[in-house]
Amino acid sequence: DGGITQSPKYLFRKEGQNVTLSCEQNLNHDAMYWYRQDPGQGLRLIYYSQIVNDFQKGDIAEGYSVSREKKESFPLTVTSAQKNPTAFYLCASSIGGAYGYTFGSGTRLTVV
Amino acid sequence: QKEVEQNSGPLSVPEGAIASLNCTYSDRGSQSFFWYRQYSGKSPELIMFIYSNGDKEDGRFTAQLNKASQYVSLLIRDSQPSDSATYLCAVRYNYGQNFVFGPGTRLSVLP
Repeated sequence: DGGITQSPKYLFRKEGQNVTLSCEQNLNHDAMYWYRQDPGQGLRLIYYSQIVNDFQKGDIAEGYSVSREKKESFPLTVTSAQKNPTAFYLCASSIGGAYGYTFGSGTRLTVV
Repeated sequence: QKEVEQNSGPLSVPEGAIASLNCTYSDRGSQSFFWYRQYSGKSPELIMFIYSNGDKEDGRFTAQLNKASQYVSLLIRDSQPSDSATYLCAVRYNYGQNFVFGPGTRLSVLP
């Protein structure tokens, strides 16, 4: 079955630690996205990539980094520079153009 | 700053009634409009999209778009308790650009 797989489902980060969230898709979609969702708020765009080896900052990129070395994979690193990382992180992909997103199941990150 | 606004709710309707969810957007240059449903703790799933003025129906769901008034709505007929979720409105302002999401409206269908 085609889809997007995010792992882990739950992640705990200690202060000052970098953590990486995995996102893999087998939909053959060109575009991939990372969003952050806080309670009672909408989705905010962190980074997006429309082609391999290229990515752009979204609205809240500070404290995050990404890579796109393969079409299928778009990992997100939450660095120690992100001071308030506790949130629900969603990865999405799209065939592009006028089509909607397919979302992964999300990773819930908590600072301990 | 492109904005998408929705009433946060909760919107409560009795089972079998019509639920009406509304969304307004700030930029007249918008191209396409999407409705996503998100159950608590889960990821959003696409319900419907609409590009042209007027109504678009899919089963119990109807999306309505009025570009002159800059609003898009989602009607859910014969509402069921399983429809209880947060509904996110998303607007794509230009072809190929990213979505801007509204904060979502929480719908509660009472048995």
